[in-house]
Amino acid sequence: NAGVTQTPKFRVLKTGQSMTLLCAQDMNHEYMYWYRQDPGMGLRLIHYSVGEGTTAKGEVPDGYNVSRLKKQNFLLGLESAAPSQTSVYFCASSPSRGSGRSRLYEQFFGPGTRLTVL
Amino acid sequence: RKEVEQDPGPFNVPEGATVAFNCTYSNSASQSFFWYRQDCRKEPKLLMSVYSSGNEDGRFTAQLNRASQYISLLIRDSKLSDSATYLCVVHNAGNMLTFGGGTRLMVKP
Repeated sequence: NAGVTQTPKFRVLKTGQSMTLLCAQDMNHEYMYWYRQDPGMGLRLIHYSVGEGTTAKGEVPDGYNVSRLKKQNFLLGLESAAPSQTSVYFCASSPSRGSGRSRLYEQFFGPGTRLTVL
Repeated sequence: RKEVEQDPGPFNVPEGATVAFNCTYSNSASQSFFWYRQDCRKEPKLLMSVYSSGNEDGRFTAQLNRASQYISLLIRDSKLSDSATYLCVVHNAGNMLTFGGGTRLMVKP
């Protein structure tokens, strides 16, 4: 049981290049999320998905696209990378219902992708 | 104004000390509250939920004050392994969470 995995772990892009970040979870969770984390800013939600085939915008969606073709995978795309997108990207997943009060709404995170855009 | 605000620290404390962090939230309709822990260059992980009646898990105690809209985390008998960033997290609706910027704790020998 790997939990949430992300690929790649590190990437350096030049301005204008494109790339796709892959997130996979093996916990059969309905919900998946993409966040970015910048110093002093906390985690900010980029896009999320409440189920296979559905996606929605979060707090900072501009410059990103997502797809959820399979329940276990959530892809984040950067069509034309900009230096402002230099960040650490975290994927997370959560069940639609908690297994108990203390775990309701718990999100499980992947190890992150460190992206630098030059 | 940020929806969830925390003092970024760092809080530098000696081993064995008691340390407390506060967090304020702006949405009075917020429903649930949590503390996550994030080690350096790692992903966040749930530390504990915060209940209205307060709750304790070993050396960790979480309190919620809905009237003043703040959440606290108390760590007793600090260990070196407690060094991390502690994220205050608020649940408002659906399965969406809002994260504070985190408070960094450094426990020194």
